[in-house]
Amino acid sequence: DTGVSQDPRHKITKRGQNVTFRCDPISEHNRLYWYRQTLGQGPEFLTYFQNEAQLEKSRLLSDRFSAERPKGSFSTLEIQRTEQGDSAMYLCASGGGEKLFFGSGTQLSVL
Amino acid sequence: QKEVEQDPGPLSVPEGAIVSLNCTYSNSAFQYFMWYRQYSRKGPELLMYTYSSGNKEDGRFTAQVDKSSKYISLFIRDSQPSDSATYLCALTDSWGKFQFGAGTQVVVTP
Repeated sequence: DTGVSQDPRHKITKRGQNVTFRCDPISEHNRLYWYRQTLGQGPEFLTYFQNEAQLEKSRLLSDRFSAERPKGSFSTLEIQRTEQGDSAMYLCASGGGEKLFFGSGTQLSVL
Repeated sequence: QKEVEQDPGPLSVPEGAIVSLNCTYSNSAFQYFMWYRQYSRKGPELLMYTYSSGNKEDGRFTAQVDKSSKYISLFIRDSQPSDSATYLCALTDSWGKFQFGAGTQVVVTP
């Protein structure tokens, strides 16, 4: 068990560019979550998968955001046409039962 | 009103003191309760997990849940400078939906 792995750790991009983040969950976990966190705030829910099915997506989530989890293993989160307001820490978590385990996050800076 | 309210920080305590953190919630569907510790620019780390009212102890950490009052607490005994971090409460129902508090920043001064 190597924990939840996220890549890259840091991403700097220019406004208008597309970015993609990857998450590798704990292997036996069937639930995978994406959260966004800004300074001084708790994690904000973005979307949630059970195996390969995307079960819920936050209503606050712009259409520029899309997530996939092919074959129920790793997941990707893509942000199209990035905006400065997208600058945040993007956290992935996987769930076994009612516990949630987080990766180290991807820090996104949009210039 | 937010579903989970957490005391704002920062909370500054001297080394060796007891740190007391708490959260209140409004949705009685929450049945499972967690506390996470988050160091700067790192992901949250699960510290404590409980699903029943009462106390749960793990080393210097004690989690307390009062479902009737919808109130949860975390106590850290004999605090150390390495305990300086942001502490997040998290609650979930049986359906996989998690809600987090905003976090309390704790500073333990030597």
